[in-house]
Amino acid sequence: AQKITQTQPGMFVQEKEAVTLDCTYDTSDPSYGLFWYKQPSSGEMIFLIYQGSYDQQNATEGRYSLNFQKARKSANLVISASQLGDSAMYFCAMREPLRGSTLGRLYFGRGTQLTVWP
Amino acid sequence: DAGITQSPRYKITETGRQVTLMCHQTWSHSYMFWYRQDLGHGLRLIYYSAAADITDKGEVPDGYVVSRSKTENFPLTLESATRSQTSVYFCASSDRPHNSPLHFGNGTRLTVT
Repeated sequence: AQKITQTQPGMFVQEKEAVTLDCTYDTSDPSYGLFWYKQPSSGEMIFLIYQGSYDQQNATEGRYSLNFQKARKSANLVISASQLGDSAMYFCAMREPLRGSTLGRLYFGRGTQLTVWP
Repeated sequence: DAGITQSPRYKITETGRQVTLMCHQTWSHSYMFWYRQDLGHGLRLIYYSAAADITDKGEVPDGYVVSRSKTENFPLTLESATRSQTSVYFCASSDRPHNSPLHFGNGTRLTVT
């Protein structure tokens, strides 16, 4: 079963508008971490934002915020005031704690390609 | 410079050859990972390591070997390269076992002809 599901292969947004990228996850562990990464066309993986499962408030980092709905197991990324440089692939990921052989590995979704147009 | 570096950035090799991809980090992070990225599959874990001399298999370990004699280095070896191993390979490190991000290198684009 997929641990991380990103249902939007592609999204389009106009510059200066906000956009929400969807992510749902699957875990039975009460302790986990949720992450978003950005991968521009140059290929590097850039860490954007982190949300812990016990965090009461939604994480924010500049123009990025994570809409965390624990009961629904969703962790959507909201980008406010989109810029042309935000055009990239965005990956949602989850990290579970050490459990025997899992060693805190990061599970990735398939990604959402965001295109920002002027 | 501090960080995580991978070498080479690009590599072309022939089927059957042995290839080693290098990964070096300067943070002294305990946890290191190798992922491969392929269209349609996203990022898949090949091997990971919790410390020097401690490694374990991920989702897709067949055809790969790793070693970690020093904390800062985590080389990945393709023992006998196959065309199906054409991919982009990412090395990553983390300072804690969970609830901290993985920091990625810039990747190695490997083509097996």
